[in-house]
Amino acid sequence: GAGVSQSPSNKVTEKGKDVELRCDPISGHTALYWYRQSLGQGLEFLIYFQGNSAPDKSGLPSDRFSAERTGGSVSTLTIQRTQQEDSAVYLCASSPPPEVGYTFGSGTRLTVV
Amino acid sequence: QKEVEQNSGPLSVPEGAIASLNCTYSDRGSQSFFWYRQYSGKSPELIMFIYSNGDKEDGRFTAQLNKASQYVSLLIRDSQPSDSATYLCAVTKAGTALIFGKGTTLSVSS
Repeated sequence: GAGVSQSPSNKVTEKGKDVELRCDPISGHTALYWYRQSLGQGLEFLIYFQGNSAPDKSGLPSDRFSAERTGGSVSTLTIQRTQQEDSAVYLCASSPPPEVGYTFGSGTRLTVV
Repeated sequence: QKEVEQNSGPLSVPEGAIASLNCTYSDRGSQSFFWYRQYSGKSPELIMFIYSNGDKEDGRFTAQLNKASQYVSLLIRDSQPSDSATYLCAVTKAGTALIFGKGTTLSVSS
């Protein structure tokens, strides 16, 4: 596609439920990143996929968070047993090789009630 | 010490003035430096990147890098009200994801 596509754009879920967020990167971009941004805060790195290499999961805040990338393209971020502090905008980005900066999707606004 | 630090602002400048945005980073191994602009409620968009010491100009924007001082800046000449946004500094080194600062809010008054 023309840009990074994320779905859903908004998600309201009850505390304790699991959620899945989807990211479809720009075609040909080998690197994919997940960040989250809480209200008034900067971007917090979550996870990074580069080609067929093992992902860098160093930013995942707890074992309730996981992500996978199938076929080197679409990625899904899963949050299990959601908590209110998980409420944030989850942003996905992709970049081509060599890296000259990321293109971000429009994000998924997650609200845990 | 935070990895990437920016003054949160707000930085207020009149239309037509030069806006100067600053950023410091802690990892001396950082190799690539980026400036993103984020309008309220929108996603960040890339303005510029710089790899080498010195200045890099693109239209009204100039990025400046001083690796010895671990300092990156963004100058916006002839500031316009449409430049009002939050500006995010980000740094990275090979094989790692960008680390972002919390951003500086710029307000350009007409």
